This record gives sequence, C-alpha cells and structure tokens, in this order.
Amino acid sequence: EAEVAQSPRYKITEKSQAVAFWCDPISGHATLYWYRQILGQGPELLVQFQDESVVDDSQLPKDRFSAERLKGVDSTLKIQPAELGDSAMYLCASSLAISGTYEQYFGPGTRLTVT
Amino acid sequence: GENVEQHPSTLSVQEGDSAVIKCTYSDSASNYFPWYKQELGKGPQLIIDIRSNVGEKKDQRIAVTLNKTAKHFSLHITETQPEDSAVYFCAASEGTGRRALTFGSGTRLQVQP
Repeated sequence: EAEVAQSPRYKITEKSQAVAFWCDPISGHATLYWYRQILGQGPELLVQFQDESVVDDSQLPKDRFSAERLKGVDSTLKIQPAELGDSAMYLCASSLAISGTYEQYFGPGTRLTVT
Repeated sequence: GENVEQHPSTLSVQEGDSAVIKCTYSDSASNYFPWYKQELGKGPQLIIDIRSNVGEKKDQRIAVTLNKTAKHFSLHITETQPEDSAVYFCAASEGTGRRALTFGSGTRLQVQP
C-alpha cells in the first residue's frame, strides 16, 4: 500500500538554528499539504501545493518558514531560525485532488523539539 | 473560515460498549467530512468519511452520520475493543479535493478491557 514518507521522524534543535523536513507524497498525488500539530490539538494547515505551485500559505509564518516543491513531487519545509514555540509535530499529507476524490493521506510526521 | 468543534475531549468506555463522538461545523459550504484515528507518535489515519449527499455511512463497526441542516456529524464505534484506544479527529472541508481540512480538537478514547 502506497504511503506518504517523511524524514526525519524526530529532530531536536536549539533555538535560532535552522531545521528542514522532507516529504515524499503518494505517487501521482498532485496536492501536497504541510500541517503543524501542537500537542493535544488537531493539525492546522501551514501550506498547500498543487503540483509545484503554492495554493494557500496564508497561515505560514513567512518570516521564518519556507516551503518548496520544485518538481511537483517531493517537498521540503524549512524553519530558520527555530523558536521554542515551533516545537510540534509537522505532518505532510497528499491527495489526488481529482474531482470526486477527496481523501487526504498523512505521513508519520516529524516530531520537532526546540531547546 | 471554517470552525470545527468536537466533543467530548476524553471518552472512556468498557470493552464491548459503544462510543459516540460529535462534531459541529460553521461553514455551510463544507461538504466533505472525514474522521481520522491517531495513535501515539503516528500520523492521522483516515478511517471513514462522508460527503454531504449522504446522511449515513457504515464500515463494519464504524459508522458516521451527517445532519447538514444542523451542521453536525458524528462517529459511532460499536463493540469497542482495546485497539480502538486512540485520539480521534473529525474534520471538514469544502471538498472539491483541492482544499485543506479544518480539524476538530480531538477526542481521546480509552477502551477499558
């Protein structure tokens, strides 16, 4: 069964350092999402891609966060500099996004701890 | 934008009993309502979903109901088992397949053996 891949699974970094997360969506899925999940809460959208284009980054803290999906396949989310409040689970999800197909499938996430 | 409220935040049941989790949403344009199960340290797993043209959907021990007029939907788990213990999230979206999900705050379900 096809799955969304993410790495690393866990990351510990000091505040003010740079950190990057990688996501490989299910093959053929045109839409890719990055969500952030704070402990005890539901995931919240950071950025959404349709192929290589950003569709929605209204909730992305652009002063420190950046995301790219250069070839419309895998994606990287970067934080620079990291702050203590960035400690969270970063989830990647993908979807076929063809009319009538709505399902979003999530990867295992990257647990970020900022010290 | 969409706002999804979920309750209860925690639910403890005895093995074999039923569990019900309820969600309400605010945006009348939402027409896709999935439910996810998240185990500790893992990503959310889609367990069932419903579209607005359907009032109820069932998959073995799991069922979801939708009342579009009242803007609420519910997850029903029958004959609960210890392996059903997890955090469950409801979500909503406008549902063209191109929009992100808005999630509820989650329900921690504990099934006591």
